[in-house]
Amino acid sequence: AQSVTQLGSHVSVSEGALVLLRCNYSSSVPPYLFWYVQYPNQGLQLLLKYTSAATLVKGINGFEAEFKKSETSFHLTKPSAHMSDAAEYFCAVSDPNQGGKLIFGQGTELSVKP
Amino acid sequence: DAGVTQSPTHLIKTRGQQVTLRCSPKSGHDTVSWYQQALGQGPQFIFQYYEEEERQRGNFPDRFSGHQFPNYSSELNVNALLLGDSALYLCASSLNGAGGLNEQFFGPGTRLTVL
Repeated sequence: AQSVTQLGSHVSVSEGALVLLRCNYSSSVPPYLFWYVQYPNQGLQLLLKYTSAATLVKGINGFEAEFKKSETSFHLTKPSAHMSDAAEYFCAVSDPNQGGKLIFGQGTELSVKP
Repeated sequence: DAGVTQSPTHLIKTRGQQVTLRCSPKSGHDTVSWYQQALGQGPQFIFQYYEEEERQRGNFPDRFSGHQFPNYSSELNVNALLLGDSALYLCASSLNGAGGLNEQFFGPGTRLTVL
């Protein structure tokens, strides 16, 4: 079975500071990994995805994530936070053999202080 | 392109009632997945439809059922509503193939409140 654990339900950073959102996964097969962002009263938007190619994945809005198999981690980072980054972030895993079913973590709410 | 649309936006029902939620996929997409997102939680997979058939199902009771129409739009039906069914219901569409790599585009959701 697959699962995702996001460490920290709330993260607060100052504008311009580094953003680090943590995600650890469990999977019996090489997984696909995703980060989604959810703004209030909206659906989820894909930030980036890992598909067993490059371990460092670049996404939209300056975000990137690094796949570390030895640590079973897929942490999301952004060098400099912007006020508009305040949102809920979800890490998700899928089994390539199960055609798209996503297993989500609990989410991390990011606050950005001016 | 309107993207994924869902209706209604909000819905209030009482325990024991039945509800139908609707989803129109993004243009060109043939696969629809439904997720339940309880307050403060991540979305949970309910089921996925492709070619008008339920292809995968998550750990949800039979009270949850669905349908996909020839135009790829989809409905989610929930019978005998419980208080615990209160949640945001998200529809996601994608293009079949690529082993699940194809991006799932999410709609804004339907907020269901069961009183």
